[in-house]
Amino acid sequence: DAGITQSPRHKVTETGTPVTLRCHQTENHRYMYWYRQDPGHGLRLIHYSYGVKDTDKGEVSDGYSVSRSKTEDFLLTLESATSSQTSVYFCAISQRRVLSYNEQFFGPGTRLTVL
Amino acid sequence: ELKVEQNPLFLSMQEGKNYTIYCNYSTTSDRLYWYRQDPGKSLESLFVLLSNGAVKQEGRLMASLDTKARLSTLHITAAVHDLSATYFCAVDPGWQGGGSNYKLTFGKGTLLTVNP
Repeated sequence: DAGITQSPRHKVTETGTPVTLRCHQTENHRYMYWYRQDPGHGLRLIHYSYGVKDTDKGEVSDGYSVSRSKTEDFLLTLESATSSQTSVYFCAISQRRVLSYNEQFFGPGTRLTVL
Repeated sequence: ELKVEQNPLFLSMQEGKNYTIYCNYSTTSDRLYWYRQDPGKSLESLFVLLSNGAVKQEGRLMASLDTKARLSTLHITAAVHDLSATYFCAVDPGWQGGGSNYKLTFGKGTLLTVNP
């Protein structure tokens, strides 16, 4: 299994509070991604990173920011959490190889509840 | 905007039967991925399809890619209960398909339930 951890694994917070989720990898993969998973929507990309300090927005980036100061860590921040951000958040990594190209490997997920 | 549609979204089948899940996508791409997700768990990579006509098989699952039809199929042979899970396809359009070469777009998933 790819060495990807996410912390915390579960979090309950209140509307308006800041929240930071951490993704840590030991695979030295260049690309890292944050997704959210909601019933009826599948997986939707929030932000992604293509290198240290290189990040870009995905399809549902409003209300989220990210940072990547080291290859192994990718942080997702909800500046002021809202109930619509209640979801399961997955981190993924990939390393573009000839035989697998953009195959992504997923972390265990973080279940976030915003009350 | 790339659209990825899976059907059916829900599939209930009996053990021993065969069935196919379809994944249609709206733009040029020859890179398609299949994932499996068990309830409450993360996603696990099943197949990587990187060319027209690509076929991969693992146990009772076989995936194929037809880039001209913009269609991938995941065929289940003689289903067993252990195959019960949600299956996702994901497409990487790359620069050719108007993408960025970095991102995948996922279908909504097919919830497969195999009954005894």
